[in-house]
Amino acid sequence: NAGVTQTPKFRVLKTGQSMTLLCAQDMNHEYMYWYRQDPGMGLRLIHYSVGEGTTAKGEVPDGYNVSRLKKQNFLLGLESAAPSQTSVYFCASVKDLQGEQFFGPGTRLTVL
Amino acid sequence: AQSVTQLDSHVSVSEGTPVLLRCNYSSSYSPSLFWYVQHPNKGLQLLLKYTSAATLVKGINGFEAEFKKSETSFHLTKPSAHMSDAAEYFCVVSDQLTGGGNKLTFGTGTQLKVEL
Repeated sequence: NAGVTQTPKFRVLKTGQSMTLLCAQDMNHEYMYWYRQDPGMGLRLIHYSVGEGTTAKGEVPDGYNVSRLKKQNFLLGLESAAPSQTSVYFCASVKDLQGEQFFGPGTRLTVL
Repeated sequence: AQSVTQLDSHVSVSEGTPVLLRCNYSSSYSPSLFWYVQHPNKGLQLLLKYTSAATLVKGINGFEAEFKKSETSFHLTKPSAHMSDAAEYFCVVSDQLTGGGNKLTFGTGTQLKVEL
């Protein structure tokens, strides 16, 4: 089992560029999440999904879109990157509401 | 909404001495609480979780935490620190989301430094 994987690991964008971050899990988990981590702020929830074909907004969704076309994949898109989106992005998945959330290794994104 | 407060942003201990990382929570009902650890440039790993069973929770690597409802606290302890414990630690509360799923609300983290 690879667990939760994220691609890419690092990326540098210019303001206004777009990109997609991919999260994949091989544990057949229903629930998937995207968080961002900023210094001194812990992790904050961007978007989440409770199953294939569903997505919902978290606490900081502005400037991001997501899709869950396949159960194992959860994509995070930035349509027009801004410097405020410079952060480390973590994906997580969990089997059910009582389970442990498993985190990916993170994607470090810098927007110039 | 639930929240957690980590009372110390940095803690420094000597190797072999006890570790105490403090966390207070705010919740309108009995919450699920977790401690996660993050080593430099790594993802997050679950240390332990409390889900309304025993109030003293044992986790991995010798860590444990005690849920105290009267004090709304969930402090993390370890009897003897090891150099490999140097990392950032997050106290986390789980909240149910509208439409299903659960959201983790993270504290701001405590950086643990272990000195020789």
